[in-house]
Amino acid sequence: DGGITQSPKYLFRKEGQNVTLSCEQNLNHDAMYWYRQDPGQGLRLIYYSQIVNDFQKGDIAEGYSVSREKKESFPLTVTSAQKNPTAFYLCASSPTSGGTDTQYFGPGTRLTVL
Amino acid sequence: LAKTTQPISMDSYEGQEVNITCSHNNIATNDYITWYQQFPSQGPRFIIQGYKTKVTNEVASLFIPADRKSSTLSLPRVSLSDTAVYYCLVGDDLSSNTGKLIFGQGTTLQVKP
Repeated sequence: DGGITQSPKYLFRKEGQNVTLSCEQNLNHDAMYWYRQDPGQGLRLIYYSQIVNDFQKGDIAEGYSVSREKKESFPLTVTSAQKNPTAFYLCASSPTSGGTDTQYFGPGTRLTVL
Repeated sequence: LAKTTQPISMDSYEGQEVNITCSHNNIATNDYITWYQQFPSQGPRFIIQGYKTKVTNEVASLFIPADRKSSTLSLPRVSLSDTAVYYCLVGDDLSSNTGKLIFGQGTTLQVKP
């Protein structure tokens, strides 16, 4: 069963804590992405990775960090430096990073800071 | 990056055809037009993609005029389950190779019984 998975579905964090969101894909895609979505808004790109061991900042990378040690995994860490982390986080992958490649999205993780 | 403009919301009734138009006046020569659908608390899902003229699949049709400055997503005979947010995106110029997609606010389609 091929696809892209995210865990956990819901995550609660106390202020000042770092948390890591998991994203795994078994589609053999080279490119992976992290987006943030706030209520009533579109998606904003946090980080993306075109290939293993490489990643680039998106539009709103401050307060976030990522790693890409394996092709199938692209975890996102929300650090305490992120001022307003409560949001819906979406991970996506695509065969390559070409502008016409379809991006396949995971089910998302809803993070709430208490 | 080409910017897109689409209506914030639309209402329709079951069984009607729905057309959502997107403007992208500064689309680049190599750019494609892609539409995604998003249900609440889910990730977006690819619907259709095109470069010019008309593209049709089992879900929708995409009409693109010769000047490519706009495009229209057509959903035939919508049902309640088509209630969702629809995003129009113009892909990065292929030469930039970042795959970066710009999601605007999208169009919230509400289908009523």
